[in-house]
Amino acid sequence: QVQLVESGGGVVQPGGSLRLSCAASGFTFSSYGMHWVRQAPGKGLEWVAFIRYDGSNKYYADSVKGRFTISRDNSKNTLYLQMNSLRAEDTAVYYCAKDQGGIQLTFDYWGQGTLVTVSS
Amino acid sequence: EIVLTQSPGTLSLSPGERATLSCRASQSVSSSYLAWYQQKPGQAPRLLIYGASSRATGIPDRFSGSGSGTDFTLTISRLEPEDFAVYYCQQYGSFSLTFGGGTKVEIK
Repeated sequence: QVQLVESGGGVVQPGGSLRLSCAASGFTFSSYGMHWVRQAPGKGLEWVAFIRYDGSNKYYADSVKGRFTISRDNSKNTLYLQMNSLRAEDTAVYYCAKDQGGIQLTFDYWGQGTLVTVSS
Repeated sequence: EIVLTQSPGTLSLSPGERATLSCRASQSVSSSYLAWYQQKPGQAPRLLIYGASSRATGIPDRFSGSGSGTDFTLTISRLEPEDFAVYYCQQYGSFSLTFGGGTKVEIK
């Protein structure tokens, strides 16, 4: 079965950096686009970034553009999110999510999430 | 960016009742690229509906989606105890994917 396991969350000071990872299994990772979605404590969902199956194209929410970088290593079945210049408003649970595929930019499988707290 | 507004914010119903949730877009969502998710406390969201009306794998037929353009609806025909949760709509008609603010369906 599809499994997505995030890691790398923690507490970081404003202006700091953090790298999240998402280990994928149970499907052909190299055939699907992947997303990061976040949820601030007690708030709704916010899409963060998307990367195509082969890494050829990447898209970002305006709120993170220029600060976050999504990448993938298909040989390791792993998705990454490099987060720089972190702000208090980046505090959230970060989920990696598998793209449904085809023309549907929807999230059909999700990880359990990893909490990122930006605080001094 | 397309803004999605969900209403009501909270829906108080009893098991067995019908739930009707609304999602309105600030501009037309192309090709009905609208999805619905369910999220329970402490859990990741689950995809229910995509393409405005297609049920995702394993989703019971009491869940149905409808609508086009700027107005979309998620209907739960008869609420089961496990359906009490928060529901989000999401558009993917443009590459700035956005979610609505959510509707909480709570037990009356």
